[in-house]
Amino acid sequence: SQKIEQNSEALNIQEGKTATLTCNYTNYSPAYLQWYRQDPGRGPVFLLLIRENEKEKRKERLKVTFDTTLKQSLFHITASQPADSATYLCALESSGGYNKLIFGAGTRLAVHP
Amino acid sequence: DADVTQTPRNRITKTGKRIMLECSQTKGHDRMYWYRQDPGLGLRLIYYSFDVKDINKGEISDGYSVSRQAQAKFSLSLESAIPNQTALYFCATRAGVGNTEAFFGQGTRLTVV
Repeated sequence: SQKIEQNSEALNIQEGKTATLTCNYTNYSPAYLQWYRQDPGRGPVFLLLIRENEKEKRKERLKVTFDTTLKQSLFHITASQPADSATYLCALESSGGYNKLIFGAGTRLAVHP
Repeated sequence: DADVTQTPRNRITKTGKRIMLECSQTKGHDRMYWYRQDPGLGLRLIYYSFDVKDINKGEISDGYSVSRQAQAKFSLSLESAIPNQTALYFCATRAGVGNTEAFFGQGTRLTVV
């Protein structure tokens, strides 16, 4: 069955360091991969989208990579700040037909001053 | 005003009661979704609709029903609530074409006692 795996353990890092979050998937051939941020008690908010034919995407301090051979996406936040503390979700979507976004369980990031 | 509005934000109901969660969006998008979020399980798709006449079951539709009253409105009903339906429920909307981001509501925290 299709499976999306994100590290269930929280990632704790020091302010100013680069945070790297991982999203692995199996039995899936996504055409698109998205990353969302979710704060406690709130809805997810879109951050970045990357297509299967793109290796890397950047937006300000954020960088996403997409390796369809490894079936993995990495999400990087450079120069992290305490305000980056949140849960980050990856979401996959296949191409064609009834496109649905399927989400991973998310990884909680805590950036300490 | 929020792009996606969910009502109520919090609800406590008794086992066996019928309850409706409402969602409206001002994005003008065709696609609307209902997700359920449980700790450690991430967002799971309950139902999705690509227009008023097109409603589809997601991965966990048992015990739920939906109604797409208009392009902007998509309601989720629990016909006979049970305690394991206690969760955080999110409505989302996306544009009708392409690899587009999802816009989420603030969520409804439902507790079934």
